[in-house]
Amino acid sequence: SQQGEEDPQALSIQEGENATMNCSYKTSINNLQWYRQNSGRGLVHLILIRSNEREKHSGRLRVTLDTSKKSSSLLITASRAADTASYFCATATRIQGAQKLVFGQGTRLTINP
Amino acid sequence: DAGVIQSPRHEVTEMGQEVTLRCKPISGHDYLFWYRQTMMRGLELLIYFNNNVPIDDSGMPEDRFSAKMPNASFSTLKIQPSEPRDSAVYFCASSKNQGLAGPRNNEQFFGPGTRLTVL
Repeated sequence: SQQGEEDPQALSIQEGENATMNCSYKTSINNLQWYRQNSGRGLVHLILIRSNEREKHSGRLRVTLDTSKKSSSLLITASRAADTASYFCATATRIQGAQKLVFGQGTRLTINP
Repeated sequence: DAGVIQSPRHEVTEMGQEVTLRCKPISGHDYLFWYRQTMMRGLELLIYFNNNVPIDDSGMPEDRFSAKMPNASFSTLKIQPSEPRDSAVYFCASSKNQGLAGPRNNEQFFGPGTRLTVL
C-alpha cells in the first residue's frame, strides 16, 4: 500500500504564484523526500528532510515536516512554467542498511503562463 | 557522469514473450532499485540490491518476474512470460550509502525508464 498520500492530486496555478502540496503518511520514518517527475522522464530528487527536522529550504523550495501529524508539505515559491511536473513524496525507512522508499501517488502541478 | 542508464527505452511485445530490461547504475553506487509505475498503482518498489546481492524482493509481483545483478555495473529485470497487465514504465534507480549522517543520505538517482507495452 502507498505510504505517502499527496494532496491535492492536481493543482493548476498562474506563474508567479506559490504552490503548496501536502503529503501524509502512516508509519515511522527516517526521513521524507520529495521528487519531481517531468512527463516521460525519471524522478529527480528535490529535497530531503530528516525525522528530527521541522523545516528545510532549498532555493525556491520549502519543506516542512510534522511527525506528530505524520504530514509534510512542499512549498514552491514564485512558480515558473518550468515547474510544471508531477511531485512525489517518498517516506524512507531503513531496512538492512538501505533506505527503502515508498512513494505516494503524486501531485500533478501545472503552471499557467 | 552519464547517470543511470536503462535500455531499451521502449519495448512492445506480445503476450507470452520474454522481456528483459537492463540497467547500468551510476559508478560507485552500491544500491540498485527496480520500480514499476502505472496510473492505477503509482510507483512501486519491486526489488533492490546491495553490493549486487538482492536484499528485498517482496515487491516482485509473482514468479514471472526475476531480477539479477551479476556485477556492480549491470542489472536485469526479466518477465517470462509477459502479460498485458505488466504494461508499465519500469525504472531503475541507484544510490550510494553515505550512512545516516550523509549529507544527501541515500538520495536515489533514477534512470529514464523503460516503457513496456504487452499486447
